Amino acid sequence: AQKVTQAQTEISVVEKEDVTLDCVYETRDTTYYLFWYKQPPSGELVFLIRRNSFDEQNEISGRYSWNFQKSTSSFNFTITASQVVDSAVYFCALTKAAGNKLTFGGGTRVLVKP
Amino acid sequence: NAGVTQTPKFQVLKTGQSMTLQCAQDMNHEYMSWYRQDPGMGLRLIHYSVGAGITDQGEVPNGYNVSRSTTEDFPLRLLSAAPSQTSVYFCASSYSNRRTEAFFGQGTRLTVV
Repeated sequence: AQKVTQAQTEISVVEKEDVTLDCVYETRDTTYYLFWYKQPPSGELVFLIRRNSFDEQNEISGRYSWNFQKSTSSFNFTITASQVVDSAVYFCALTKAAGNKLTFGGGTRVLVKP
Repeated sequence: NAGVTQTPKFQVLKTGQSMTLQCAQDMNHEYMSWYRQDPGMGLRLIHYSVGAGITDQGEVPNGYNVSRSTTEDFPLRLLSAAPSQTSVYFCASSYSNRRTEAFFGQGTRLTVV
């Protein structure tokens, strides 16, 4: 069985601080895909990034960066210089193969105060 | 393109009532699925479909039925609503290529009283 753990339920920061969200996963599969989704207060789910198990390169997209470490089964997400618009719930998710049979973590609520 | 469209956005049901949550996608995606979101538990898979005529159960299927007669539509039926089914429901779709992400609808907030 697959499992995704987001140990931080809520993080509060002041604008311009950096914030790192932890994601630890469990799977017996050698091929798998990891995702991060953002859920702003409006409620929709916004795709942020996909990473497959064979690609351990870190990725940076603007103020967002992701650190994938297969050795520790972690896929952490950092927001640099946070802004109020980053306030949302962030979900880490895992799938073996099928496009959307996703196993989600419990989510981390990020509150960025001005 | 409208993407993934869910209706209704909000619904209140009485215990024992039945209803269907609608989900339609216009991206010609093969895969579709339903999730429920409960506080602190993330999203959990209810049912999924890999193509028209093919459905299977996810993690929490009890109390829900699905069918997939067309590629575009994937309705979720609550047979006899219970307060435990109070939740936010999301429909998602994606291509069968494993490299693609799932696209989600806006969600349906269901309250069973």
